[in-house]
Amino acid sequence: DAGVIQSPRHEVTEMGQEVTLRCKPISGHNSLFWYRQTMMRGLELLIYFNNNVPIDDSGMPEDRFSAKMPNASFSTLKIQPSEPRDSAVYFCASSPGTGYEQYFGPGTRLTVT
Amino acid sequence: AQKVTQAQTEISVVEKEDVTLDCVYETRDTTYYLFWYKQPPSGELVFLIRRNSFDEQNEISGRYSWNFQKSTSSFNFTITASQVVDSAVYFCALSEGHTGNQFYFGTGTSLTVIP
Repeated sequence: DAGVIQSPRHEVTEMGQEVTLRCKPISGHNSLFWYRQTMMRGLELLIYFNNNVPIDDSGMPEDRFSAKMPNASFSTLKIQPSEPRDSAVYFCASSPGTGYEQYFGPGTRLTVT
Repeated sequence: AQKVTQAQTEISVVEKEDVTLDCVYETRDTTYYLFWYKQPPSGELVFLIRRNSFDEQNEISGRYSWNFQKSTSSFNFTITASQVVDSAVYFCALSEGHTGNQFYFGTGTSLTVIP
């Protein structure tokens, strides 16, 4: 079975542009998580969904960030407009349920110049 | 307050040495879950182990072993006869029963195994 799939793997964009990161969770998993990892702040949970419904978005840094999960097999994280401080690795993870391990995608390395 | 503390920021060992990575957690829940993840230089996060609060048995998997002690709120990870391929950042994480799926990650321990 394929793991969590993220695209693109690398994204370089200019400040002010819109960025959309995509994630396909493992089939059958009902929870999906978006994380951001930087050297300064470590691994931060941005938002997570249960059964396609956003449960906790308190980690979303600003209104410039938004996430959607239109169905069980797809989620997006959008940054509009992007800023240099958004440069980070963004991970998507999925889990079969409460108390179970999360499986992480390979990450998207975002660079905003 | 930090729910998961990994006090060791960086550790260096010589190949074939044993090394223990510490993890201390804090929770008031009686039901909770503990995890370890490995992040090698390539960047992906790899799940290693899951332990629930009702199972204090130690676990061994090859050169890896985990010691879960509720009395000290610790879930330590030992690598026996370390190898260069063990060089990575290791994260400990906690999931509490009442918060559902949310993970609380420690800040990670960077392990370097010197050949």
